[in-house]
Amino acid sequence: AQKITQTQPGMFVQEKEAVTLDCTYDTSDQSYGLFWYKQPSSGEMIFLIYQGSYDEQNATEGRYSLNFQKARKSANLVISASQLGDSAMYFCAMNPESNRLAFGKGNQVVVIP
Amino acid sequence: DSGVTQTPKHLITATGQRVTLRCSPRSGDLSVYWYQQSLDQGLQFLIQYYNGEERAKGNILERFSAQQFPDLHSELNLSSLELGDSALYFCASSVTWTGGETQYFGPGTRLLVL
Repeated sequence: AQKITQTQPGMFVQEKEAVTLDCTYDTSDQSYGLFWYKQPSSGEMIFLIYQGSYDEQNATEGRYSLNFQKARKSANLVISASQLGDSAMYFCAMNPESNRLAFGKGNQVVVIP
Repeated sequence: DSGVTQTPKHLITATGQRVTLRCSPRSGDLSVYWYQQSLDQGLQFLIQYYNGEERAKGNILERFSAQQFPDLHSELNLSSLELGDSALYFCASSVTWTGGETQYFGPGTRLLVL
């Protein structure tokens, strides 16, 4: 079974600064996908970024980048130039061949002006 | 807006009752997934359908059932409701069912069992 670990406590980030959210995973599958989702206080789950286990380059999507270190089984999310609207819960998830998503417990981020 | 719709947005009911949650996937998506988010269990996969057929099952209780219809919308039926079933229920969709494919989530149905 897959396991996702997000252990950072809630984080306060100054507006316009970068923040890194840690995610480690455990799987015996060779092929898998890693995802980050954002959940604002309104509750919806918003897809941010995807990294395939065979992708050699780190994924980037606008201000989001994924620092993928396969040997260490980590997939950290970096948000650059934080904005007030980035305040939310962030979930790391993975799905192997079965495509069901396994989620971590999430990281709470609060951006302060 | 992910393109996945869920109704209703909120549902308040009593223990022992039965409710139906509805989901319409994004246009072109054949796979539908149901997830439950609760404070104690976090986000858990319940069940997946692909083009009308059950594809994978997770931690879904026997009191819960789901189906996907020919028009690809899906319904999650929760019966004999208990207080612990109070949670946010998400539907997600993707084009197929292969691993590594992005799932897009609906806005969720917030269920409160009193």
